[in-house]
Amino acid sequence: GEDVEQSLFLSVREGDSSVINCTYTDSSSTYLYWYKQEPGAGLQLLTYIFSNMDMKQDQRLTVLLNKKDKHLSLRIADTQTGDSAIYFCARLIGNYGQNFVFGPGTRLSVLP
Amino acid sequence: DTGVSQNPRHKITKRGQNVTFRCDPISEHNRLYWYRQTLGQGPEFLTYFQNEAQLEKSRLLSDRFSAERPKGSFSTLEIQRTEQGDSAMYLCASSLAGPEQYFGPGTRLTVT
Repeated sequence: GEDVEQSLFLSVREGDSSVINCTYTDSSSTYLYWYKQEPGAGLQLLTYIFSNMDMKQDQRLTVLLNKKDKHLSLRIADTQTGDSAIYFCARLIGNYGQNFVFGPGTRLSVLP
Repeated sequence: DTGVSQNPRHKITKRGQNVTFRCDPISEHNRLYWYRQTLGQGPEFLTYFQNEAQLEKSRLLSDRFSAERPKGSFSTLEIQRTEQGDSAMYLCASSLAGPEQYFGPGTRLTVT
């Protein structure tokens, strides 16, 4: 996962917006993803974006993709304590375009 | 449908023993993936099946590791002669032909 980078920690206050950032080095991916992982659990698919799009919105989640800068972000509006988790950025690669390279994850802490 | 299931959820074994994990994908998902996640890291791809065919293997999958999907439904991952470095969470995911991959809760392996 060394070609997908994320900051490791983010703290926000409940009700504020959170912005989690991700950069990657290889622009050949077809899709880019955000997954959420709560302690001791598997990964929950939050959203994904096709590489020819620059924005996708899904309820409280907004994904922005800047292909030129190879930068992906996830904005969570009105962040709640239940949003506290680790958020992984991932890009789809592989000979069959089917496996992920994940970033190291950003641990989001939501303070009351 | 209950999602991807994995058994056991936890496994503690002594170094040198063999272990086997099972993954049951979402029904009718023809694609199945194994990933390994160590503490504080993002998941790393191990192998990919389309139906019963193992189409892709990471160089992380040493010759002590073998994965099967004999009937194109459930899959097993076996680790022979376990080492302490094999301690990790082993995650399974499944998908149809589209871009959405769904992860199971994982099997946490501890090698003592």
